[in-house]
Amino acid sequence: AQKITQTQPGMFVQEKEAVTLDCTYDTSDQSYGLFWYKQPSSGEMIFLIYQGSYDEQNATEGRYSLNFQKARKSANLVISASQLGDSAMYFCAMRLRSFGNEKLTFGTGTRLTIIP
Amino acid sequence: SQTIHQWPATLVQPVGSPLSLECTVEGTSNPNLYWYRQAAGRGLQLLFYSVGIGQISSEVPQNLSASRPQDRQFILSSKKLLLSDSGFYLCAWSVDNRGGKNIQYFGAGTRLSVL
Repeated sequence: AQKITQTQPGMFVQEKEAVTLDCTYDTSDQSYGLFWYKQPSSGEMIFLIYQGSYDEQNATEGRYSLNFQKARKSANLVISASQLGDSAMYFCAMRLRSFGNEKLTFGTGTRLTIIP
Repeated sequence: SQTIHQWPATLVQPVGSPLSLECTVEGTSNPNLYWYRQAAGRGLQLLFYSVGIGQISSEVPQNLSASRPQDRQFILSSKKLLLSDSGFYLCAWSVDNRGGKNIQYFGAGTRLSVL
């Protein structure tokens, strides 16, 4: 069974600094996808970035990048030049890319607070 | 562009009452549809998903059921609510693609309080 671990329940970061949110995963499958979502206080889950297990390059989307270390089974989210609007819960998730498998397994999340 | 609508935004229901939460998607055909529940301060737990009309897969045995009467409509129901059904319910959609990303996009959620 797959599992996602986020060990940082909360983080406080100064505005404009970079921040790294940790995520480790456990699966014996070779084909899988890793996702990061942002959940502001309104509750909606906002998709940020995706990394496939066979992707050779780390994914980037604007200020978001994913530090993918396959051998260590880690998929950390890096936010550059943090902004006040980045304050939210952040969830790491994994989906096995087997046919018919639609299940996303989520971690418990990290609450990020940006300090002005 | 695709949009997902979920209502109501908040709901307060007495124990033993029925429940119906509705989710609709616009701008896409034959989406995969999902219902998740999030307990306070926790991650998301998949409850049901559907790959087509009338096709429902249940992930967790519980007091809830789901139906998909139309291609882009997904309904979460209960005949008799329990206190433990309180939580934040999120609907999501995705489409299969050869790239394999199948990114799930979420609605705004329904906050359910069972008293």
